[in-house]
Amino acid sequence: NAGVTQTPKFRVLKTGQSMTLLCAQDMNHEYMYWYRQDPGMGLRLIHYSVGEGTTAKGEVPDGYNVSRLKKQNFLLGLESAAPSQTSVYFCASSYSEQGFETQYFGPGTRLLVL
Amino acid sequence: KQEVTQIPAALSVPEGENLVLNCSFTDSAIYNLQWFRQDPGKGLTSLLLIQSSQREQTSGRLNASLDKSSGRSTLYIAASQPGDSATYLCAGGGNTDKLIFGTGTRLQVFP
Repeated sequence: NAGVTQTPKFRVLKTGQSMTLLCAQDMNHEYMYWYRQDPGMGLRLIHYSVGEGTTAKGEVPDGYNVSRLKKQNFLLGLESAAPSQTSVYFCASSYSEQGFETQYFGPGTRLLVL
Repeated sequence: KQEVTQIPAALSVPEGENLVLNCSFTDSAIYNLQWFRQDPGKGLTSLLLIQSSQREQTSGRLNASLDKSSGRSTLYIAASQPGDSATYLCAGGGNTDKLIFGTGTRLQVFP
């Protein structure tokens, strides 16, 4: 049972480049989330999904897009990377609504934008 | 807007000590409170979830309490071990709001 996996683990981008981060879960969870973690700021919610084909904005959605075409996958896209998007990105999933059930986190993706 | 604060930011203790980590939140309408552990370079692992109808939860050497009236939660770690060294984060949520995370307490337990 792999739980929540994230691809890639580390990436370096130049300003203006685009990329997609992939999150996959094998627990049949309905809810999936993307967070970013920055020093001194805690985790902040970027986007989330309450089921296949649905997405919604979180606290800091600007500059990011997401898609949930399959229940087990949640993709985070950066269309034009900026240095301010240098961060560690975490994906998480849960059986039901955030806070009511335990969230399971992936190992994170470290992104450096030069 | 809910804000979550954790004090202290860092803590270093000798093995065997009992210790308390603090978490405070600004909105008493918090519905539940979760404590997570994060090891360096890793994701978060859920430790305890206290739902609105509960006042505390226990798992092994860990005990978490929630006092919504005072806007505080504490994580008690009994007989600390070097393997407990990690960053501990609390996160609070309203009934339909998303979780708001604190910035964490970095704990080091030395032999």
